[in-house]
Amino acid sequence: GEDVEQSLFLSVREGDSSVINCTYTDSSSTYLYWYKQEPGAGLQLLTYIFSNMDMKQDQRLTVLLNKKDKHLSLRIADTQTGDSAIYFCAERRMDSSYKLIFGSGTRLLVRP
Amino acid sequence: EAQVTQNPRYLITVTGKKLTVTCSQNMNHEYMSWYRQDPGLGLRQIYYSMNVEVTDKGDVPEGYKVSRKEKRNFPLILESPSPNQTSLYFCASSRRVGGGPDTQYFGPGTRLTVL
Repeated sequence: GEDVEQSLFLSVREGDSSVINCTYTDSSSTYLYWYKQEPGAGLQLLTYIFSNMDMKQDQRLTVLLNKKDKHLSLRIADTQTGDSAIYFCAERRMDSSYKLIFGSGTRLLVRP
Repeated sequence: EAQVTQNPRYLITVTGKKLTVTCSQNMNHEYMSWYRQDPGLGLRQIYYSMNVEVTDKGDVPEGYKVSRKEKRNFPLILESPSPNQTSLYFCASSRRVGGGPDTQYFGPGTRLTVL
C-alpha cells in the first residue's frame, strides 16, 4: 500500500530531546521530508534527506534513515515551546505524479 | 518574497453552489499541486500539474476540477460542492521535478465548510 505511518502524539518537557518516528513503504522513493505545521498555518519544510544517506544534521534537527527497515526519524535537540506543532513525514514517489505521500502527522506538545 | 498564496483562506458555503479556490505562486515553478488535509489522514493529493495546460488526477480527484492556463495560477474548482468536501485545502508548487529534492512549497491553506 501507500501508507506512511507515524505515531499520533508526543509530549516532552522543554529542554529534552524529541524523537518523532515514521515508517514508509516505497523503497524506490528518493527523497524523504519532514514538514512542520503550526496551528492555522501551512506546511513549512524543515529538512529532507536523500535515500542514499543515513543521517543528516541541521542545527537542532537530526534525521536518521534506515532504508532496510524503511524507518525515518526526526530528532529535535533542546526542544522549545515554539517547537509545539504537528510534524509530517512525507516520501516523494518517482512515478509520473511525483506526489508527496504524507503520514497522518505527529502532534508534539512541549511542556514548560 | 517567494510565496504561494491562496484565496479565500476561509469559506463557508452550501451544497451545490459552485466555488473556486485560487492559488498563485511567484517562483516560476512548473509543478503545482492541490492537497486536502483531513484529521487522521494526513494530506492527500487531489490534482497536479506538470506545466501549463498539463494536468492530471491525484488520489482523490472526484468532485474537483483544475485548470492551468498560466504558469503562476492553478485554481481548484468545485462545480457542485458536497459536505464530504469540507476540509482544509493546500496548494503547493515546486520547480520541475528532476534529480534534486525539488522541494514543494505550500500555501497557507483554505478551510472550506460545505453545509
